[in-house]
Order: sequence, then C-alpha cells, then structure tokens
Amino acid sequence: GAVVSQHPSWVICKSGTSVKIECRSLDFQATTMFWYRQFPKQSLMLMATSNEGSKATYEQGVEKDKFLINHASLTLSTLTVTSAHPEDSSFYICSAPLGGETQYFGPGTRLLVL
Amino acid sequence: AQSVTQLGSHVSVSEGALVLLRCNYSSSVPPYLFWYVQYPNQGLQLLLKYTSAATLVKGINGFEAEFKKSETSFHLTKPSAHMSDAAEYFCAFNAGGTSYGKLTFGQGTILTVHP
Repeated sequence: GAVVSQHPSWVICKSGTSVKIECRSLDFQATTMFWYRQFPKQSLMLMATSNEGSKATYEQGVEKDKFLINHASLTLSTLTVTSAHPEDSSFYICSAPLGGETQYFGPGTRLLVL
Repeated sequence: AQSVTQLGSHVSVSEGALVLLRCNYSSSVPPYLFWYVQYPNQGLQLLLKYTSAATLVKGINGFEAEFKKSETSFHLTKPSAHMSDAAEYFCAFNAGGTSYGKLTFGQGTILTVHP
C-alpha cells in the first residue's frame, strides 16, 4: 500500500524558534498534499493544501505567515512553524492522495513548544 | 455546509461482541465517506471507503459499513470485537469537486474492548 512518512516524529522546541516538519510520499508521487492539526482529545482539522510548484492554499483562520508550506518536489512537502508558541503545540499530520479520493496519512509529528 | 457527526465519543464492548460505531453526515452533494482508525501517537489508517459504488462496503480487519442515503448514515460495524480493535475511529467526508481531497472529520469515537 501507499506509504507516507513524516520527520521528525516528535520535536520539543523553545518558544520563538522555528520548526520544520517534512512529509514524504515514499512509493508514489503527489502533486497535492494536505496538512492537518490535531489537538489533544480532538479531531483532525485541515490546515492547508500543499501544491507542488505553486502556493499553498490555507483554510480559514490559519495564518499563512506562521505556517509556511513548501512543496519542493512530487514527493516532499514541508511545514515550517515559525516563531512557535506554546499554543502551537499539537500533533501535525500530513496526507497525500493516491488513486483518486483516498488519502494516505503520515504517522504524525508531535510538537511541544516550551 | 457539509459536516460529519459521530454519535458517542466512547464505546465499550466485550471481546467477541458486536461493534457498532455511528456516523451521520450532512451534505448537499453526493459524498465520499471514509472510516479511519488511529492508534495512540500514530497517524490514520484507512479502514474502508464509500465512493458511490456498492452501498455495503467491506474493509480491513473484518470491518464493514453501509451507506444509507435515506438516513444520511455510514455506520461502522464488526461482528466480533478483538482486543486489537481498541483504538480511536474517525468518520470522514469528502465532497469532491473543488474540495477534492479535503477531508472533514467527525469528532472521533474511542473504542474500548474488555476481555
């Protein structure tokens, strides 16, 4: 089956620093990838759509200057949380579509901002 | 607006008992519906999906779901629960069209399986 990886799996950083999370489709190409955020005991909320070769599309309420997305190639999208604050602590999950409407999810990255 | 509602944030069953996790949707367009499972500190794994073909969909690990348009439901069932089924389950919706690929998730249901 389709495999999506994320790196790192968890990260702890100081408030004010930036953190980069990578999402890779390992055995297929993805012109589009999606980034979700999941707060403890809550569901996943779509943050943005990452588009290869063009700008990302952000959902309402998501700050594009804070959550920088770069879709560098057909197998890699990165999410950079800039000037992270404790309220950005969350579980970040990416997904990539294969075979139409089905999304394959990465294992997630847990971010803790101190 | 499209939405997905999962009834019951927690469901507890005995090993070997029927599993029933409820999902209702609201949509103005024909939906694509999915069930995903999430184990602690992991991403989501696709269990099954409905994409306007057969209304009874069979997935992995013995799970199945039936799309009922008249009831706007897509409940997940498994005849006999196993301890390894303990996890959180998410129902998700995709409207297709311009929102193709974007998933709207339900609130999630935590399944506990007792010996």
